[in-house]
Amino acid sequence: EPEVTQTPSHQVTQMGQEVILRCVPISNHLYFYWYRQILGQKVEFLVSFYNNEISEKSEIFDDQFSVERPDGSNFTLKIRSTKLEDSAMYFCASRLQGADTQYFGPGTRLTVL
Amino acid sequence: AQSVTQLGSHVSVSEGALVLLRCNYSSSVPPYLFWYVQYPNQGLQLLLKYTTGATLVKGINGFEAEFKKSETSFHLTKPSAHMSDAAEYFCAVSATGFQKLVFGTGTRLLVSP
Repeated sequence: EPEVTQTPSHQVTQMGQEVILRCVPISNHLYFYWYRQILGQKVEFLVSFYNNEISEKSEIFDDQFSVERPDGSNFTLKIRSTKLEDSAMYFCASRLQGADTQYFGPGTRLTVL
Repeated sequence: AQSVTQLGSHVSVSEGALVLLRCNYSSSVPPYLFWYVQYPNQGLQLLLKYTTGATLVKGINGFEAEFKKSETSFHLTKPSAHMSDAAEYFCAVSATGFQKLVFGTGTRLLVSP
């Protein structure tokens, strides 16, 4: 069964460094999402992406964040200058056009020191 | 705006006992409701969903949930717990099913022999 994959599974970085989290959505899906979960808190929506454009973003998704679909298979989340409070589990999800179910990847745990 | 409240960050049951995980939602429009499960080191997997129609929905692994509009609830149940049900369970709401998911804080289900 097709699944969403994410790399790396765990990323450790120093405060102020740039990180890129990678996701490979299910191949025929056209809608992509990033969510994050700070330890002990809710899973929070960050951004949705369709047709090479951001469809919706939350107030968390400020100028430090960007998303890109650099090729036909990858979907990336970049954090330009990481802060301690960016430490969280980041989930990628994708959805088929016309379907109401989002399929999630296993997540990337980001630790900012 | 949508929100979800999951009562109980941890629920412990014995193998064979009834599982009841509580979810209450708030939505300004008729909601789409979802339950996701996360097993260790895996992504969020859809258990079941309510969109329209029958208020009792059945999902995978013997789980079911009932949409009760008057109580704004969507509790998840399973008649008999298995050890393999030990995982984290997330309730989520969406305005249309095609937009962002708004999650609860999750409930960790512990199953003892």
